[in-house]
Amino acid sequence: RKEVEQDPGPFNVPEGATVAFNCTYSNSASQSFFWYRQDCRKEPKLLMSVYSSGNEDGRFTAQLNRASQYISLLIRDSKLSDSATYLCVVNSRGSTLGRLYFGRGTQLTVWP
Amino acid sequence: DGGITQSPKYLFRKEGQNVTLSCEQNLNHDAMYWYRQDPGQGLRLIYYSQIVNDFQKGDIAEGYSVSREKKESFPLTVTSAQKNPTAFYLCASKTATSGGDTQYFGPGTRLTVL
Repeated sequence: RKEVEQDPGPFNVPEGATVAFNCTYSNSASQSFFWYRQDCRKEPKLLMSVYSSGNEDGRFTAQLNRASQYISLLIRDSKLSDSATYLCVVNSRGSTLGRLYFGRGTQLTVWP
Repeated sequence: DGGITQSPKYLFRKEGQNVTLSCEQNLNHDAMYWYRQDPGQGLRLIYYSQIVNDFQKGDIAEGYSVSREKKESFPLTVTSAQKNPTAFYLCASKTATSGGDTQYFGPGTRLTVL
């Protein structure tokens, strides 16, 4: 079983739509969770960390369900500039310097 | 400006040649990582280093080698033993401080084997 599983999509939505991505992780000892964004042929960049209580950053809301080992990202009022691949990321148990595990990514295209 | 630099951006090599990809960071980060990304695939970990003069194999280390002689530098050598080296290579670094799990990426190197 992979450490992190994501629906690869693609998701194609019109501007203004609300879209949700889901992710599951296998290691119950994981402590840190993130969503990264990757534009075509570019490096991944941190979109937001995911906290146990859930957190929001503008149009983006991230949720964590430790019991189900499930992470979600909700994008409201989608913009054309949101078109990208969204990577779900969790850390390994162990030291702070330990590795992260990346999902394959979910591709989003927002059309006018 | 603080950040991670990778060079070159594009690299072409002939089969059977070794090639070294550069990764430098001036963020004073302790840990550094090398990933490989193939089209439509996620990031796969090649090697990582938590401190100077120490590194660990990731999931796909065969055909690759690294060194960590300085905190700022973590070069990756793609050897002729790597069967399918054409890919996008990403270097990342991370601090050791509390809450510092976030990895920051360089712009990547696209390697093409001709």
